Amino acid sequence: EADIYQTPRYLVIGTGKKITLECSQTMGHDKMYWYQQDPGMELHLIHYSYGVNSTEKGDLSSESTVSRIRTEHFPLTLESARPSHTSQYLCASSDQTGPGEKLFFGSGTQLSVL
Amino acid sequence: AQKITQTQPGMFVQEKEAVTLDCTYDTSDPSYGLFWYKQPSSGEMIFLIYQGSYDQQNATEGRYSLNFQKARKSANLVISASQLGDSAMYFCAMKVTGNQFYFGTGTSLTVIP
Repeated sequence: EADIYQTPRYLVIGTGKKITLECSQTMGHDKMYWYQQDPGMELHLIHYSYGVNSTEKGDLSSESTVSRIRTEHFPLTLESARPSHTSQYLCASSDQTGPGEKLFFGSGTQLSVL
Repeated sequence: AQKITQTQPGMFVQEKEAVTLDCTYDTSDPSYGLFWYKQPSSGEMIFLIYQGSYDQQNATEGRYSLNFQKARKSANLVISASQLGDSAMYFCAMKVTGNQFYFGTGTSLTVIP
């Protein structure tokens, strides 16, 4: 089984603060993803990476940025948090391609911006 | 357009009974994969079962089976002998060629003792 870790689990922060959500995986997976999840809504892809130094924006417009300097690490940064950023953020990884690609997810970070 | 539809926001089932969670999908791509994930209150999404569009037989994984009806574009999850630990959100998802996964809005399952 893949091991993928997200920290912090919960974060409450004031408007305007800079935050970084951490995501690490120990399986050596090349592909990593960030999803945003709101109650009663489908997951929306906000960023993905196919390897070191490769990052792309997903289908949901996001003011966040990501980096992929090491295979195992895919942090997400918000330069200036706003209440509209309040959401659950899920990180995932995969070592497969094509329609049979299976995602392995972390436990998520629940972000609340006051 | 690619889309996953889950029409049951919430479901209840008696412990030890079977339950079916509905999922319909829409794609014009002939090659696709269908997935079910479970999300307990702890937050992580757990992979349950996968069905490929060219698979002839319905997928099964322990107490989980996927009722794949290609002509109707449905991929319902059947959980047999429900347990209290099955109480969670369940998400249907689809992957077509390319990079994008499509998720449904989820079904909240509550198992009643």
